[in-house]
Amino acid sequence: DVKVTQSSRYLVKRTGEKVFLECVQDMDHENMFWYRQDPGLGLRLIYFSYDVKMKEKGDIPEGYSVSREKKERFSLILESASTNQTSMYLCASSFGVSAKNIQYFGAGTRLSVL
Amino acid sequence: AQKVTQAQTEISVVEKEDVTLDCVYETRDTTYYLFWYKQPPSGELVFLIRRNSFDEQNEISGRYSWNFQKSTSSFNFTITASQVVDSAVYFCALSFMNYGGSQGNLIFGKGTKLSVKP
Repeated sequence: DVKVTQSSRYLVKRTGEKVFLECVQDMDHENMFWYRQDPGLGLRLIYFSYDVKMKEKGDIPEGYSVSREKKERFSLILESASTNQTSMYLCASSFGVSAKNIQYFGAGTRLSVL
Repeated sequence: AQKVTQAQTEISVVEKEDVTLDCVYETRDTTYYLFWYKQPPSGELVFLIRRNSFDEQNEISGRYSWNFQKSTSSFNFTITASQVVDSAVYFCALSFMNYGGSQGNLIFGKGTKLSVKP
């Protein structure tokens, strides 16, 4: 079974802190994704990566950056956390570059910025 | 524009009732894929089904069935004899061959929260 692991289920941070959300997948997938999920807005894509050291902006990249130094790990970085970044963050991975690929998700990190 | 609409924000049913979750999509592409995911209270999105644009056959898996109709751009999901364990948020999603050069990205609907009461 595919396993996507997010390092924390819950995080509480203060405004202005630098925040790292970590995601690891164990299926040698090329593609990894970061989404945020907010009530009434569904899932919105923040960043994605199709290869090591490669990254592409999604629909809402402002205020975020990412890092992919190893194929299995994709990190989301909030350089200076703000209260409007309080949200549920979901990581996903998939194999190959094709529209038919199934994305597999982690359990999510619920981040609160105070 | 590429878009997925799930008009039902929340649905509440009593156990053993049948329930249909609606999904309407928009795309100019002729080749695309539609997905349904389930998000239980634990938070992880679980893949349920994938359907490509050339296959309009309906599918049944146990109590779950899916009705794909290209003529109405809909991909509806029916749960027969619902159970409390079906309580979750359900997402419909679309992917297509050319999305700014990023094949495989998903466009999600906003989700439908299903509550099944005993």
